[in-house]
Amino acid sequence: KQEVTQIPAALSVPEGENLVLNCSFTDSAIYNLQWFRQDPGKGLTSLLLIQSSQREQTSGRLNASLDKSSGRSTLYIAASQPGDSATYLCSLGQGGSEKLVFGKGTKLTVNP
Amino acid sequence: DAGITQSPRHKVTETGTPVTLRCHQTENHRYMYWYRQDPGHGLRLIHYSYGVKDTDKGEVSDGYSVSRSKTEDFLLTLESATSSQTSVYFCAISTGVTNTGELFFGEGSRLTVL
Repeated sequence: KQEVTQIPAALSVPEGENLVLNCSFTDSAIYNLQWFRQDPGKGLTSLLLIQSSQREQTSGRLNASLDKSSGRSTLYIAASQPGDSATYLCSLGQGGSEKLVFGKGTKLTVNP
Repeated sequence: DAGITQSPRHKVTETGTPVTLRCHQTENHRYMYWYRQDPGHGLRLIHYSYGVKDTDKGEVSDGYSVSRSKTEDFLLTLESATSSQTSVYFCAISTGVTNTGELFFGEGSRLTVL
């Protein structure tokens, strides 16, 4: 059974810092990996989708990488801002999207 | 935001009453999902649909039923609400032609069962 782990559960950094969020998984037979952010009381917002054949995706200050052999994905946030404060979740697709597995998330706080 | 709206956004009801949550999409995507999100459990799939009148159970389907009579609407019904169904419910769609596309979520429906 696929297990997805996001460590740490919470992270606090000063504004302007570059940071990395981690998503580890136990089964490399995935077809994609997606990163989301969730603001308090809101739904999940899709940030980046990486297909299994890709190594990374970039959007603005965000860069997500995927290393299936090591069972790891990272979300790199450059020059963090207070507006980046949110919970970040990863999901892994395998065997169809009805079998998506979500991590529990990392709660990020960026302090002014 | 993939044109997903959920209604109602907030509801308080009493144990034993029926509740229906609606998910509406504007882009005619085939795959739609209902999740619940609870502290300590994360996101869990309740039911999903792969077309009009085509639905199937997810991880936590007991006590829930769904219907999809039109492509754009996916309804989640709690036939007799219980306190354990107090949760935030999210509708999602997959934008792929198959069920392996990018997932987009609605804003959520917060349900409190007293």
